[in-house]
Amino acid sequence: GAVVSQHPSWVICKSGTSVKIECRSLDFQATTMFWYRQFPKQSLMLMATSNEGSKATYEQGVEKDKFLINHASLTLSTLTVTSAHPEDSSFYICRGGYTFGSGTRLTVV
Amino acid sequence: QKEVEQDPGPLSVPEGAIVSLNCTYSNSAFQYFMWYRQYSRKGPELLMYTYSSGNKEDGRFTAQVDKSSKYISLFIRDSQPSDSATYLCAMRLTYNTDKLIFGTGTRLQVFP
Repeated sequence: GAVVSQHPSWVICKSGTSVKIECRSLDFQATTMFWYRQFPKQSLMLMATSNEGSKATYEQGVEKDKFLINHASLTLSTLTVTSAHPEDSSFYICRGGYTFGSGTRLTVV
Repeated sequence: QKEVEQDPGPLSVPEGAIVSLNCTYSNSAFQYFMWYRQYSRKGPELLMYTYSSGNKEDGRFTAQVDKSSKYISLFIRDSQPSDSATYLCAMRLTYNTDKLIFGTGTRLQVFP
């Protein structure tokens, strides 16, 4: 079946630094990748939609300058959290097609 | 009104029970319906995928869609402690193949 590989699964960073999260579709081409954020015991919140070769579409209220999305190839999409702050600590998950990545737990200290 | 409504639970049942999880929706144009299972600190995994109305069975899981009532269900037979997770329903329109609308998820706990 389709697999989306997401890395890292867990990252701790200092406040003010940037963190990059990668999602790769291993056995299919994902022209569109969706990025979600999830707080503990809460539902998925769609942050943005990335399309290969074009700019990402961000949901209302999501800062595009803070959450940089790049979808340079049909198998790789990245989310970079820039100048991270403790309030950015969350669980980030990508989705290609019907398949989710395994998620990245970000803790900003 | 949200497009998709799902009771957050938690739902706590004994091992071996039949579990019924449900979602209602407001947009009659939804044609494809999915159920995902999400374990704690993991990404959701696709459990069931159905098109339009009717039933679909896969092992202990049965997905049911009633488009006339805008109501979908997931039944789990002979529930096991390993079924303890959050279950999310999702649906999409026919003409937009990528955008999924999710319910908020129902937390299920199956105790031994």
